[in-house]
This record gives sequence, C-alpha cells and structure tokens, in this order.
Amino acid sequence: KNQVEQSPQSLIILEGKNCTLQCNYTVSPFSNLRWYKQDTGRGPVSLTIMTFSENTKSNGRYTATLDADTKQSSLHITASQLSDSASYICVVSSHYGNNRLAFGKGNQVVVIP
Amino acid sequence: EPEVTQTPSHQVTQMGQEVILRCVPISNHLYFYWYRQILGQKVEFLVSFYNNEISEKSEIFDDQFSVERPDGSNFTLKIRSTKLEDSAMYFCASSVGQGMGQPQHFGDGTRLSIL
Repeated sequence: KNQVEQSPQSLIILEGKNCTLQCNYTVSPFSNLRWYKQDTGRGPVSLTIMTFSENTKSNGRYTATLDADTKQSSLHITASQLSDSASYICVVSSHYGNNRLAFGKGNQVVVIP
Repeated sequence: EPEVTQTPSHQVTQMGQEVILRCVPISNHLYFYWYRQILGQKVEFLVSFYNNEISEKSEIFDDQFSVERPDGSNFTLKIRSTKLEDSAMYFCASSVGQGMGQPQHFGDGTRLSIL
C-alpha cells in the first residue's frame, strides 16, 4: 500500500527562525512529489512540484529537496513569518492511477512572535 | 487568479438523508477530483473525472457516492443515505492536465456534518 509519512507531526517556532519538515514515501513507481500548504479552514495550496530528476526547488522562502533514491523529501522554511502557521502536506503521485495523489498527514507548524 | 469554488461551505444533514456538494472548477481545466478529510486525518482521494466520466475511484467511493457534471461549469458529489462517518471536509480540485508538473487546484472545501 502506498504511504507517505511526515515528521515532525507538529512544531512551534519563533518568528524569524528557520525550520525543516521531513517526508518519507513508499509510493512506487514514483512520478512526482508536491508540497502543499493548508491554512486552517482552507483548501491545500500548491507550493512546489518536483519530478524524479529534480533535487531542489524553491518558491520564495520555501525550499523543497528530493532524494528519489532514499525516497525522502524535505521542506525548508527560511525566516519564518506568522503567516507560515499552517499544515504542510507532502503529496506523492505515482505513474499508475490517473494522477491519483497519496497524501501525508501533514506537518502542523505554529509560528509565534 | 482563478479559483475553484465550493458551495455550501458548511452542510448539516440528518443521517439517512441525501446531500449534494457543489463545485465550480477553474474554467479551462479538464480534470476534476473529489477528496475528503476526516477531522484529524489525512486527505483521501475519492474520485477523478474526465471527459464526462469517472476515470478512477478509490475504495471509499462505493455505490453511496456519485458524481456528475450537469452543465459546463458545475461538478457535483452526491452522497445518498448519509452515515455519521461521512462527516468530513470534502474538497473539490481541478487541473489542466495530468502530466507531471500539473498542479491540482483545490477549493476551500465543504464541511459536512451528519447528525
């Protein structure tokens, strides 16, 4: 069964600090990996999409990495802001299944002043 | 920027009743999806829809569920004989295509509460 596991489940960081979120997956065959940001009460919003051949992708203060050999990804948030408080969801797509996405449970980030 | 819109934002229904959740995907998108998220759980795939037919569905999407694109803009999810365990956030999503690098754009969801 395809699985996406994220850690830590939750973390609290001070405004201005950096943090790194981890994602491990067992989805095979692998097509692409996405990080979504989900604000409370809102739908997920795409931050980055990476394919097999990409190691790093940035979107502003968000930088995602991918190691397709070890099936690990990370999302690094630089100089955190209060608006970064959200759930960050790792989502993996397989070549099989018509663009069906496998979701992680999310990393709940709380940024405090 | 174009958005996926969902109505209603919150639906409260008696157990056993039928509900219809509505979605307006982004206008030039061709692929449509429904997901659900039970409180505290991960988002789960329900169904994908393309060219006026279901292209894939999960084990969750049984005979209780159906989807329809009744006109050129709306995409609906119907749940018959609702059960308490159907209480969840239901997200609609759409995408231009299915190729790599094609993000799915999500609506803000409908919170379904079954009493």
